[in-house]
Amino acid sequence: AQSVTQPDIHITVSEGASLELRCNYSYGATPYLFWYVQSPGQGLQLLLKYFSGDTLVQGIKGFEAEFKRSQSSFNLRKPSVHWSDAAEYFCAVGNFGNEKLTFGTGTRLTIIP
Amino acid sequence: EPEVTQTPSHQVTQMGQEVILRCVPISNHLYFYWYRQILGQKVEFLVSFYNNEISEKSEIFDDQFSVERPDGSNFTLKIRSTKLEDSAMYFCASSTDRVNSPLHFGNGTRLTVT
Repeated sequence: AQSVTQPDIHITVSEGASLELRCNYSYGATPYLFWYVQSPGQGLQLLLKYFSGDTLVQGIKGFEAEFKRSQSSFNLRKPSVHWSDAAEYFCAVGNFGNEKLTFGTGTRLTIIP
Repeated sequence: EPEVTQTPSHQVTQMGQEVILRCVPISNHLYFYWYRQILGQKVEFLVSFYNNEISEKSEIFDDQFSVERPDGSNFTLKIRSTKLEDSAMYFCASSTDRVNSPLHFGNGTRLTVT
């Protein structure tokens, strides 16, 4: 069965600093990988996705993620965070595109001035 | 930008009662989903729906749950006899296709079973 691990429950970063959120997955075949962001009281918004091709994918809001098959990882990065990036971030894996996504437990990001 | 809308935002019900959670997906979307998030836990897949039938469902989606697209615009999740453990945030989502287009999520309905 597919699974996703986000080892960091809560991360605090200074505004303007770089960010990396970790995600490890378990899946037998080539996975469909996603990062979603959830602001308080809001639904989940897709930041980026990886299906195939270039292993470095660019998303919205200046985020990027790199698929590393050898490490079963899909870490999310941003070179310089903004206060508006404070939110909950979820990594997810799908067996076929959007079907039956399995989410991680999420990482809560706090930004300090 | 079109949105997925969910009503109500918060529903309180007594154990054993039936509840219907409502969603209006984006109008040109063809694939519809329900997910739930129990407080402090993962977002979990419940069911996907396409062409007026369930295409996938999880182990959570037992006989107490049903989905319906009654009128071509609404997409509903019914829980026949609620249990305390059904308390969660329920998210509706829709997409234009299964693979390439992103899921658009609604803001969720918080269901509290007392």
